[in-house]
Amino acid sequence: QQQVKQSPQSLIVQKGGISIINCAYENTAFDYFPWYQQFPGKGPALLIAIRPDVSEKKEGRFTISFNKSAKQFSLHIMDSQPGDSATYFCAASGGSSNTGKLIFGQGTTLQVKP
Amino acid sequence: DTEVTQTPKHLVMGMTNKKSLKCEQHMGHRAMYWYKQKAKKPPELMFVYSYEKLSINESVPSRFSPECPNSSLLNLHLHALQPEDSALYLCASSQVLAGGSNEQFFGPGTRLTVL
Repeated sequence: QQQVKQSPQSLIVQKGGISIINCAYENTAFDYFPWYQQFPGKGPALLIAIRPDVSEKKEGRFTISFNKSAKQFSLHIMDSQPGDSATYFCAASGGSSNTGKLIFGQGTTLQVKP
Repeated sequence: DTEVTQTPKHLVMGMTNKKSLKCEQHMGHRAMYWYKQKAKKPPELMFVYSYEKLSINESVPSRFSPECPNSSLLNLHLHALQPEDSALYLCASSQVLAGGSNEQFFGPGTRLTVL
């Protein structure tokens, strides 16, 4: 119930292509879904987040698509650049016993080839 | 100031040493977190403080001792650690613990090596 499943584990995309990372959750009480980007040796940086009252949120080249009925959400990176090469984590939190705890997916290592 | 700072950046310690990790934020956030992250894994929550009081302890061994001296500072005291405790230790903060804005902002981490 508390798991967030993330796929794929790794992804290789050509420069200019679209990177897509998917996450699925089980707990319907979750109400906050952030994506974090992490470079080697650095802390995770909040990239973009969505709440279930909207189906899509876009910030620059990054878009979250949210499907409440399917309990899935995904990150789309348009016009992927070598500088986007990093590990991406989806996460979820919320619910009646909301403690602020983020439930993370296992991460996706993205490599964007020049 | 939208930054969480952590010191030191790197720490090497023996199993009998006592050391402390420090975290600071000046965003007026009232919730602060300690996470542990192993290579190629997601961050694992260790402790949560809300309004300077310990809110969550994720069954962390007593060799890790958190402290929140004030709303801007968070410490993690280390004693008698094991080699398997070597990891990246991350501090994060959020405006409040739950409801409202729970956006968690992470610091750069302390890379800890236990010999």
